[in-house]
Amino acid sequence: GAVVSQHPSWVICKSGTSVKIECRSLDFQATTMFWYRQFPKQSLMLMATSNEGSKATYEQGVEKDKFLINHASLTLSTLTVTSAHPEDSSFYICSARDTSGRDFARGQYFGPGTRLTVT
Amino acid sequence: RKEVEQDPGPFNVPEGATVAFNCTYSNSASQSFFWYRQDCRKEPKLLMSVYSSGNEDGRFTAQLNRASQYISLLIRDSKLSDSATYLCVVNKGSGNTGKLIFGQGTTLQVKP
Repeated sequence: GAVVSQHPSWVICKSGTSVKIECRSLDFQATTMFWYRQFPKQSLMLMATSNEGSKATYEQGVEKDKFLINHASLTLSTLTVTSAHPEDSSFYICSARDTSGRDFARGQYFGPGTRLTVT
Repeated sequence: RKEVEQDPGPFNVPEGATVAFNCTYSNSASQSFFWYRQDCRKEPKLLMSVYSSGNEDGRFTAQLNRASQYISLLIRDSKLSDSATYLCVVNKGSGNTGKLIFGQGTTLQVKP
């Protein structure tokens, strides 16, 4: 089946630094990728939609200048958490949608997530 | 009101039991519905899509009631390995946007 990878799987950084998370679709092309965030004991919250070759679209309440998204190729999207603070500590998960979109029910694949801890 | 609401549980059941989870959603224009399973500290994995006619996959049965905006998941003959959090998921808005709205999740613990 389709595979989506994320790197790093976990990261600890100091407050004020920036952290980049990569999301890659390994065996399919993805014009659209999605970034989610999950705090402990809460559900996944959609942060933004990453569009290949164009600007990302952000959900209401998500600061686009803080969470920079770049989708430079059909297999890679990056999320950069700028000037991270302890409240940004969370589980960040990406998903990628198969370009063909023939089977929407199966066509969105999740990465394994990146656990960010800001000290 | 949350866009997707679930009873967080936990549901503690013995092996072999039948357990049902319910979910309601607020957007009547939603067209795609799913149940995902999430294990502790892992990414969600698609369990099954939910269709208006109802659908079954082995021990799992999903039902959708569009009029009531209600989705259910029935698990028969529970196994220890079914212990996880079950997420009710609805597509955001209408059409095939790919944006998913997740419920809070219902935690199931199957005990020997």
